[in-house]
Amino acid sequence: EPEVTQTPSHQVTQMGQEVILRCVPISNHLYFYWYRQILGQKVEFLVSFYNNEISEKSEIFDDQFSVERPDGSNFTLKIRSTKLEDSAMYFCAEAPGTSKGETQYFGPGTRLLVL
Amino acid sequence: AQKVTQAQTEISVVEKEDVTLDCVYETRDTTYYLFWYKQPPSGELVFLIRRNSFDEQNEISGRYSWNFQKSTSSFNFTITASQVVDSAVYFCALSDPYSSASKIIFGSGTRLSIRP
Repeated sequence: EPEVTQTPSHQVTQMGQEVILRCVPISNHLYFYWYRQILGQKVEFLVSFYNNEISEKSEIFDDQFSVERPDGSNFTLKIRSTKLEDSAMYFCAEAPGTSKGETQYFGPGTRLLVL
Repeated sequence: AQKVTQAQTEISVVEKEDVTLDCVYETRDTTYYLFWYKQPPSGELVFLIRRNSFDEQNEISGRYSWNFQKSTSSFNFTITASQVVDSAVYFCALSDPYSSASKIIFGSGTRLSIRP
């Protein structure tokens, strides 16, 4: 199974600060996703990204969130002004395509704590 | 609406016992995909299996087996001769057929504890 990596593994930040979470892509994967898991809860879809554009986003993904993949390098999730409720595990996922039901491979996650 | 229900919040068994994790899903589409992921205490999500709606054959992989019953919209997961290393949260998931990007909808998970 391909290995997706994410940095940092843990991040602690103060409320109102900006954070950037990074996902290191697998070379032949084209589709990228961010999911969030609040402690003890289910994994929730945030956003999907293809060809340098957002292809779909959930209602959670509001204006304080943004994603980009500059120059085909790392895939990033930015939270502009963190809130306490942004504390969660953030997972990057990748897939080689989006044919229906393509398997998504998840990174190890970044645990974000907002104080 | 697409939905995945894992009614068992927590299960605890003694090592070597067999255990079945239940998963019931809802979808209006005739073509869909189901998944199981494992989340060990370290936190990562490990892919276990993917099954499409046209393949109702049961699958076995070592001590793991999956029973897909389209008639009851269930996709149950059985671990035979459980081991302590099987302790984890297990998520059943459905690929949203109405999503342009095939986002995955997760169930709430079942926390499995295997006691030595």
